[in-house]
This record gives sequence, structure tokens and C-alpha cells, in this order.
Amino acid sequence: AQSVTQLDSQVPVFEEAPVELRCNYSSSVSVYLFWYVQYPNQGLQLLLKYLSGSTLVKGINGFEAEFNKSQTSFHLRKPSVHISDTAEYFCAVNGIQGAQKLVFGQGTRLTINP
Amino acid sequence: DSGVTQTPKHLITATGQRVTLRCSPRSGDLSVYWYQQSLDQGLQFLIQYYNGEERAKGNILERFSAQQFPDLHSELNLSSLELGDSALYFCASSRSIQETQYFGPGTRLLVL
Repeated sequence: AQSVTQLDSQVPVFEEAPVELRCNYSSSVSVYLFWYVQYPNQGLQLLLKYLSGSTLVKGINGFEAEFNKSQTSFHLRKPSVHISDTAEYFCAVNGIQGAQKLVFGQGTRLTINP
Repeated sequence: DSGVTQTPKHLITATGQRVTLRCSPRSGDLSVYWYQQSLDQGLQFLIQYYNGEERAKGNILERFSAQQFPDLHSELNLSSLELGDSALYFCASSRSIQETQYFGPGTRLLVL
């Protein structure tokens, strides 16, 4: 079984500042890792994913994440945020084998202040 | 736009009633997943279908059932509705097993 912990429920930052959203996971098997974004009153949009290979993954809208196996983390970063990045961000995992269900963290609400 | 469509967008009903949520996957996707998003439980996996067959089950109540039809669209049936069933229900689809899931816009269910 897998579990995901998003360490911050809310993160307020100023526009053009850097941001890091933290995600830690627990799993007894190898996993795939994902970040999804949910804009207000919308569905989930895939930001980026780690399946294998390079541990630094680049996604859409200038976001990137780094997979750290020893620390079981997959933190999301952006060097300079924009007002339009205001949204809820979800980290998710699924096991490479077995039931293909995404296990989500509780979400981090990113608020960008002008 | 992910290519996954869900209808209806909003649904308001009363306790004890039954509703059906519909999902059309992206063109070519064989696998469909249902998730529930609520304030207290967060995002939870309910059930997965692959090419018409049930593939995996999560925390789905016995009052809930789903199916995937030959044209690959899926329906989630919720019966004997309770106030606590009020939530956002998402459908996702993927090309095959262990491929990236793409989410629809969701159906917001309100049980009064």
C-alpha cells in the first residue's frame, strides 16, 4: 500500500517569488509519482510525472520536481510564480505493479499575492 | 481540455435518491477510473475498469456501482444517497494499464 503526505496545507507567496511544495510518500514497492493541479472550479490537470530515468522532471507552466528515493520525496518547485498559479496542487503515487490506483495527498493550496 | 467528458456538471438531489454519473474517456483510452473528492476524505479512488471489465476496487460503498460499456463510456451509479455522499466525482482515463491518467472536469453532487 502507498500513502502520500503533503507537508503544507497552504502556502502563500508573493508574485515572482520562488516556491516549493513538499511531498513525501511511503510505499513498499517501486512507484510512479505525479503532480496534478486543480484550478478553482475545474478538474485535475497533470503538471508532471516521474516514471523512471532522470530524477529531475520538468513539467508544464515552468514547474519542475525532483525525485529523491532515499528521502522518499517528490517536491515541486517553480523559480518565479505568477498570479495565475493560484490553485490547489496534489501529489500522487501509484505502484509500478499491482492495482493501478492513484493515491493522493491532501493537497496544498498555493496562493499568490501581488 | 483533457478530452475526458463528464455529465452532468452539477447534480442536486435528495437523500434516498439514486443518480447516474456518466463519463466518456479520451479517444483510444481503454481504462476508466472513478474518484471521489470530498472535504473530509480528500481525493479517493473508487473503481477502475479496463476494456469493459472491473480491474481494481478502492473505497467504494456497496450502495455505489459502476460499469463500462462496449463503446468504453462508463457510468457510476449512486443509490440510497446520504448527505455524506455530497462530493465532486471525477472520472479519469488512460490508454492502457499503468499509463498516465487524464481527468475529466468532474460532476459536483449535492445531496440535500
